[in-house]
Amino acid sequence: SQTIHQWPATLVQPVGSPLSLECTVEGTSNPNLYWYRQAAGRGLQLLFYSVGIGQISSEVPQNLSASRPQDRQFILSSKKLLLSDSGFYLCAWSLGSYGYTFGSGTRLTVV
Amino acid sequence: KQEVTQIPAALSVPEGENLVLNCSFTDSAIYNLQWFRQDPGKGLTSLLLIQSSQREQTSGRLNASLDKSSGRSTLYIAASQPGDSATYLCAVDGANNLFFGTGTRLTVIP
Repeated sequence: SQTIHQWPATLVQPVGSPLSLECTVEGTSNPNLYWYRQAAGRGLQLLFYSVGIGQISSEVPQNLSASRPQDRQFILSSKKLLLSDSGFYLCAWSLGSYGYTFGSGTRLTVV
Repeated sequence: KQEVTQIPAALSVPEGENLVLNCSFTDSAIYNLQWFRQDPGKGLTSLLLIQSSQREQTSGRLNASLDKSSGRSTLYIAASQPGDSATYLCAVDGANNLFFGTGTRLTVIP
């Protein structure tokens, strides 16, 4: 069966520090991978998606970047965090028309 | 751009009641529609997936319908239980992006 792992679960980082969130998928090949952010009191917003290794599409301009070094690994990064980067970050995968599966999320607080 | 609206924003019902959550979307050119459940501070759990060629899906006490022509979906929960308390999210698949509604926060009172 397919599983998705996302870590860490919570993170408190000072403004200006770097960020690296990792997501891995098991039990499937060539999935589409996604990073979403859920800000407090707001809906989910797509940040990045990837249809293959090294292929990244960005949906919104921001202080973040994403990379896909391996087929089932998706990384969200920042060189210098801003207060506005605080939120709940969710990784997801999809394959064909079988819907999306989400990870358990990372709660990021920038202080 | 696809816009997804969920009504009501919050709903409180006594245990055992049947209830309906509503979702509407502006662009009928969709691949799938998916209903999720989110508990506070947690990730999203998929409840039902309706592919664009389907009209409804059922899982246990849950039934979701899809009417693409009118841009509507409903999630029916039968015999609600306190464990059903959560936020329910409707999401429309527009090819490499899920467009989410802002959710309905459901509270089932014992």
